Amino acid sequence: DQQVKQNSPSLSVQEGRISILNCDYTNSMFDYFLWYKKYPAEGPTFLISISSIKDKNEDGRFTVFLNKSAKHLSLHIVPSQPGDSAVYFCAASARSGGGADGLTFGKGTHLIIQP
Amino acid sequence: NAGVTQTPKFQVLKTGQSMTLQCAQDMNHEYMSWYRQDPGMGLRLIHYSVGAGITDQGEVPNGYNVSRSTTEDFPLRLLSAAPSQTSVYFCASSYSPVLSSYEQYFGPGTRLTVT
Repeated sequence: DQQVKQNSPSLSVQEGRISILNCDYTNSMFDYFLWYKKYPAEGPTFLISISSIKDKNEDGRFTVFLNKSAKHLSLHIVPSQPGDSAVYFCAASARSGGGADGLTFGKGTHLIIQP
Repeated sequence: NAGVTQTPKFQVLKTGQSMTLQCAQDMNHEYMSWYRQDPGMGLRLIHYSVGAGITDQGEVPNGYNVSRSTTEDFPLRLLSAAPSQTSVYFCASSYSPVLSSYEQYFGPGTRLTVT
């Protein structure tokens, strides 16, 4: 049973427009959420995170929104740039329970920025 | 800082062979973990360690052993390789799963093929 779901395997967006990547979760114990970006043949790199006590976190062109009642989060990238083309993973953690049991990842969304 | 390093980058094994994937970090992180990534899947946690001398199982531990004799190193051992262990393996570290933002730093990965 997948606890973190990214239902769009791929997303194509024109350069300069907004990219919106979605993520849903089922485990109500999750209280910390992260987005990772991954280029081919490299390890994932941390992008942005949000605690369940917040509903929005912003870092430059990247904003993550959290809707706890819907168990849904989204990553907004604006404006989208060619270097944003990568696979984006949503991940979640039950940090209040100690958090030592790692991150639960979604399957990823391949974002393609078209010129 | 080199960050998280993994060796080898590529490895081909025959069924039944054993080997050790190496992982080292120079950030003095307490928490280290191993994930595997299969095609069309997110990353899945194999084993983790919250400090030297302490290890525990993740979501998919069968067929793998770990040890943590120093803060810096966290090797992953395949006892008797099977084709189902063909995957890309990522090592990750973070300062503390309880105290930190839970941002994990990933190594570049080891691509393992078992024939």
